[in-house]
Amino acid sequence: DVKVTQSSRYLVKRTGEKVFLECVQDMDHENMFWYRQDPGLGLRLIYFSYDVKMKEKGDIPEGYSVSREKKERFSLILESASTNQTSMYLCASSRTAGANVLTFGAGSRLTVL
Amino acid sequence: AQRVTQPEKLLSVFKGAPVELKCNYSYSGSPELFWYVQYSRQRLQLLLRHISRESIKGFTADLNKGETSFHLKKPFAQEEDSAMYYCAPLYSSASKIIFGSGTRLSIRP
Repeated sequence: DVKVTQSSRYLVKRTGEKVFLECVQDMDHENMFWYRQDPGLGLRLIYFSYDVKMKEKGDIPEGYSVSREKKERFSLILESASTNQTSMYLCASSRTAGANVLTFGAGSRLTVL
Repeated sequence: AQRVTQPEKLLSVFKGAPVELKCNYSYSGSPELFWYVQYSRQRLQLLLRHISRESIKGFTADLNKGETSFHLKKPFAQEEDSAMYYCAPLYSSASKIIFGSGTRLSIRP
């Protein structure tokens, strides 16, 4: 079974804090993605990566950055958290060749006070 | 720009009734199309893919290129079908999967 593990299930942070969300996958997938999930807005792509040290902006990259130093790990960074970044964050991974099917993590619910 | 529209935020039907969840996508070549589902307290997961042309849990989805639609259908809804459903086209030119805003399906007993 493909596993995508997000390190924190729930986080509470204060405005202005730096936040790290970690995601690890154990199936040697090339592609990794960060989405945020908000009621009525669905899933919006923040950043994605097709290879180590490579990153591409999604539809809403402002206020976020990412890091992919190893194939299995993709980190989402909020340099200075703001209340409008309160959301559920979903990490996903997929293979380049074949099905293009995303496998999701359980999500990290971030609350910024 | 690639867009996907799911016009219904909430769809409530009685058990045993037919279900149709609508999805329309913008035309930019020929995207590959997916439906994902999230049951209560579970991870988002793939329900079905257009390219597989299969029926999963009684659901099917027909691609209509003329109408640029990929509606999800099931002839007889079951209570366990209550979940959040997302339509997701993959546009190969952008190499990323985008998601609709989702439809919450509620099956009444």
